Amino acid sequence: DAMVIQNPRYQVTQFGKPVTLSCSQTLNHNVMYWYQQKSSQAPKLLFHYYDKDFNNEADTPDNFQSRRPNTSFCFLDIRSPGLGDAAMYLCATSRARSDETQYFGPGTRLLVL
Amino acid sequence: AQSVTQLGSHVSVSEGALVLLRCNYSSSVPPYLFWYVQYPNQGLQLLLKYTSAATLVKGINGFEAEFKKSETSFHLTKPSAHMSDAAEYFCAVSVSTGVFKTIFGAGTRLFVKA
Repeated sequence: DAMVIQNPRYQVTQFGKPVTLSCSQTLNHNVMYWYQQKSSQAPKLLFHYYDKDFNNEADTPDNFQSRRPNTSFCFLDIRSPGLGDAAMYLCATSRARSDETQYFGPGTRLLVL
Repeated sequence: AQSVTQLGSHVSVSEGALVLLRCNYSSSVPPYLFWYVQYPNQGLQLLLKYTSAATLVKGINGFEAEFKKSETSFHLTKPSAHMSDAAEYFCAVSVSTGVFKTIFGAGTRLFVKA
């Protein structure tokens, strides 16, 4: 089945220790998104890639970076995680810029100690 | 600017009762509207979407939603709740700024009592 895969499902890191979250997709979709969802809150868009073009949301902290080495993979790098970065991180894809529907992965829950 | 408001952060129903989750939207253009469901420690699963075709949209798991332009509403309903429906439900609107972005409501937690 075509899908959006996120690994790992749970990630524990230490305060200030860089961490990378992974997302892959077998849908061959052009657009990939990263959302942050804190406890009992709605998902908040961090950034997205349209093909290789990176688009940062205005209020996304500099501490968050992303890489998309190819169509299938996208990474979220947190350079110096703080306690406030503990959250569920959701990856989503959409087929094209003109496609209004996003397909979500299962998420990675990040714990910062 | 587009936005979504979900009325009621928590809704509790008895098993077999009607489920009604309310959502109102604000949009300056014809909206694309969605309902997603999220189970604990899971990602978001698309329940249904409205894309300007039929105003009554049927989704998975027996859910449906009706788009009412005059009321700017897109409420989610299910005739008979099941225990497995207990989850968080998000209403969302998708807007294009060159690429489509999804704006979520705050979510409604549905509890189903036996």
